[in-house]
Formats: sequence, C-alpha cells, structure tokens
Amino acid sequence: EVQLVQSGAEVKKPGESLRISCTGSGYTFTTFWIVWVRQMPGKGLEWMGRLDPSDSSTVYGPSFQGHVSISADNSVTTAYLQWSSLKASDTAMYYCVRRGLYFDYWGQGTLVTVSS
Amino acid sequence: EIVLTQSPDTLSLSPGERATLSCRASQSVGANYLAWYQQRVGQAPRPLIYGASSRATGIPDRFSGSGSGTDFTLTISRLEPEDVAVYYCQQYGSSPWTFGQGTKVEIK
Repeated sequence: EVQLVQSGAEVKKPGESLRISCTGSGYTFTTFWIVWVRQMPGKGLEWMGRLDPSDSSTVYGPSFQGHVSISADNSVTTAYLQWSSLKASDTAMYYCVRRGLYFDYWGQGTLVTVSS
Repeated sequence: EIVLTQSPDTLSLSPGERATLSCRASQSVGANYLAWYQQRVGQAPRPLIYGASSRATGIPDRFSGSGSGTDFTLTISRLEPEDVAVYYCQQYGSSPWTFGQGTKVEIK
C-alpha cells in the first residue's frame, strides 16, 4: 500500500527555521516526483514545487522560489520542505503528494503555525 | 501561467440531484492534463478524476469528468450526503501546475 506519512504539527516564531518531512512507503521512492502543496487557513490549494528524487532536481512555483527549499534523503525514502526564516504568512497546512499520472497519493498534512 | 476559474463558487442541492461543476482554463490544457480533487472538511484532498475523464482508483461511477481544451466539467450524477466537500480542478500539463479556487458543494 502506497503511503506518504508527514511529520507532526509545528509552532514557530517569525524568523525561526523549520524543516518538515514526508516519508514514502509501498513504492519505489526514486521513481516518482514528490510535490508540496500549501493550503492557507480557509483558502485553496497552491502548488509550491516538485522534486525528482532520482536526481534531486527541483522546480519551484513562482510564489515560492527563494523562500523554501525542497530536498530528499533517498536512504530513508523521505522528502523535506525547509524554511530558513519563517514569516507569519507561512502559517498553513502543507501537503506532500506523489506525482504519478496525476497527484495520486497525498500525505495527511502538516500544520505549521508561525506566531510571535 | 494557466489560470483556472471554477463556477459556481457554491452549489446547494438536494440528495439525489445532479451536480454540475465547471472549470475554465485561461489557455488550452495540454494533453487534457486536467484533474479533479475532493476535499472534505478536515481532510487531505482526494483525487477523483485525471486526464479530464478517467476515474481514480476506488471512485464511484456517479462521479464523471468531461471536456477538453479550455472547458471542463465534473458531474456528480446523484448527490449523496457524503459528497459535501470543496471540489478543485487542477492542470498538471504546464508548469507552474495550478488549481482552481474551488467549488463548495452543500446539501439542502
């Protein structure tokens, strides 16, 4: 069974750094791109970027380029989404997704709250 | 960037009625790389339709997708209480991959 399991909720202060994770199982991790999707409170879905685990190449959405970093450790079949300096506007639910023919498997989401 | 506009914003229907949701793209969606997702309150999105008209695994046949180019439709043939959710269309053929703003389906 394909599963993406994300790390738990985080509460951070503005300016702090953060890395959240997404561990894949039930499939060959390097065969499928991993995508991150943001959902701000009460709002819709936004594609942030994607990672190809086979070569670690990344593509970011225009609103996210330079503000987040996506990476992976294939030895533990885990992808990461990282911020070096959080803002209050980063408060949101973040989903990791496997890109098969479409966005076929979704993680359960990680809620990030940034507040002073 | 391809902008997807969904209509209506909210759809309120009785159980058993037919729901028709629209998704219009600002430019042609390549190879019909258009998907629909259902998001119930407090849950992650769930894929319903991909390639404009193919049902995802485990999706009941009361859900169907149609359309091509710039105009796409999701139809729920007989609305059931568990269909209360927000529905999003998404194009994944042209980077950046984009979502519509969502249509909220309610039961009267």
